[in-house]
Amino acid sequence: GDSVTQMEGPVTLSEEAFLTINCTYTATGYPSLFWYVQYPGEGLQLLLKATKADDKGSNKGFEATYRKETTSFHLEKGSVQVSDSAVYFCALSDLGTGGFKTIFGAGTRLFVKA
Amino acid sequence: DTAVSQTPKYLVTQMGNDKSIKCEQNLGHDTMYWYKQDSKKFLKIMFSYNNKELIINETVPNRFSPKSPDKAHLNLHINSLELGDSAVYFCASSQGYGGPYNEQFFGPGTRLTVL
Repeated sequence: GDSVTQMEGPVTLSEEAFLTINCTYTATGYPSLFWYVQYPGEGLQLLLKATKADDKGSNKGFEATYRKETTSFHLEKGSVQVSDSAVYFCALSDLGTGGFKTIFGAGTRLFVKA
Repeated sequence: DTAVSQTPKYLVTQMGNDKSIKCEQNLGHDTMYWYKQDSKKFLKIMFSYNNKELIINETVPNRFSPKSPDKAHLNLHINSLELGDSAVYFCASSQGYGGPYNEQFFGPGTRLTVL
């Protein structure tokens, strides 16, 4: 079945550091890929998405490129801020037995220190 | 003008009680979901409805019963609450069902505590 694997957290960085959160997936079809962010005490919100190979999703300085050859969708940001502290979820949407499903990774908590 | 709203935000109750959580979306979306998030932030899909029809029903105890009176509402009723039901429950909606249309909009969550 489909699955999403994210790097384990927490990830702790100083302000202005470079961020990478790794995400790899397995899928039976041709999935769409997403990154969601959850700030403390809130629901998840979409950060960025990509729907086909080599697409780059970007938003708020975050980027991720759909790499079909390595089945990866790593999240990057060049210079993190304290306000980026949150839990980040990688997800895929794919057609499987029983219809389309969204599969979420386990989430990676990011702490950014001032 | 909240897109996806849930009530209540907090729910504290005794074991064995029955409770309901309500969800409404004003985005005109066709598909709605219920998720359970445990204390380690792991997110598990419970149910999904498309145009009021149940399309995903994961392995969830039958004490949990979703009800969709119309496309804009998806409620979750839980019978005979157990300690292990304590979690944050999220409602979400998406424009369609599958692929790029599966970008989901989440509600603020309902924190359920069973004593």
